[in-house]
Amino acid sequence: ETGVTQTPRHLVMGMTNKKSLKCEQHLGHNAMYWYKQSAKKPLELMFVYNFKEQTENNSVPSRFSPECPNSSHLFLHLHTLQPEDSALYLCASSQAQLNSYNEQFFGPGTRLTVL
Amino acid sequence: ILNVEQSPQSLHVQEGDSTNFTCSFPSSNFYALHWYRWETAKSPEALFVMTLNGDEKKKGRISATLNTKEGYSYLYIKGSQPEDSATYLCASWGGQGGKLIFGQGTELSVKP
Repeated sequence: ETGVTQTPRHLVMGMTNKKSLKCEQHLGHNAMYWYKQSAKKPLELMFVYNFKEQTENNSVPSRFSPECPNSSHLFLHLHTLQPEDSALYLCASSQAQLNSYNEQFFGPGTRLTVL
Repeated sequence: ILNVEQSPQSLHVQEGDSTNFTCSFPSSNFYALHWYRWETAKSPEALFVMTLNGDEKKKGRISATLNTKEGYSYLYIKGSQPEDSATYLCASWGGQGGKLIFGQGTELSVKP
């Protein structure tokens, strides 16, 4: 257990659906991250929230919409996705964003399939 | 090097073998190098965070070295065990706006 939970673990959705991914951390961290891992590619940072403020949007399409209501919770709202968005979505947290030696704690991921 | 690169992509060894893999990263504007271990169906977990040139860290049978001037890090596993089977990720925190850039990982399989 890393202290970071994600739900659901698996999600299948159609291109016209709206769904949300949820992440919760129980570590008292101030920074939270969304990563995407497509097949055979490195982990790719999508969004960063530091003290509930979005500090990074790595050129992510607007069909992905993050929300961070407090330091412990992070959501990724999905709308009108494409089949190429099928991937593993990982959430992570750390003490603070701008500290290079803070290790990140990851959740187990949500395996998303878009039909 | 603009990206973080890991080699080999995959490795198959016998139980008891010692092994090592490489992570190459941009040496300019370097701040920290992270190693993570990712078992199938589990969460990636941090092994080491290294910041100083020449740094060497050890955790049980696993150790890592860092050369920031030439931009590489080695991860060593001594006497591999089946439970070491996992994907090993490295990531460079290189001042790119405060984010980690990950390599594609080295997938290690240890056969009993």
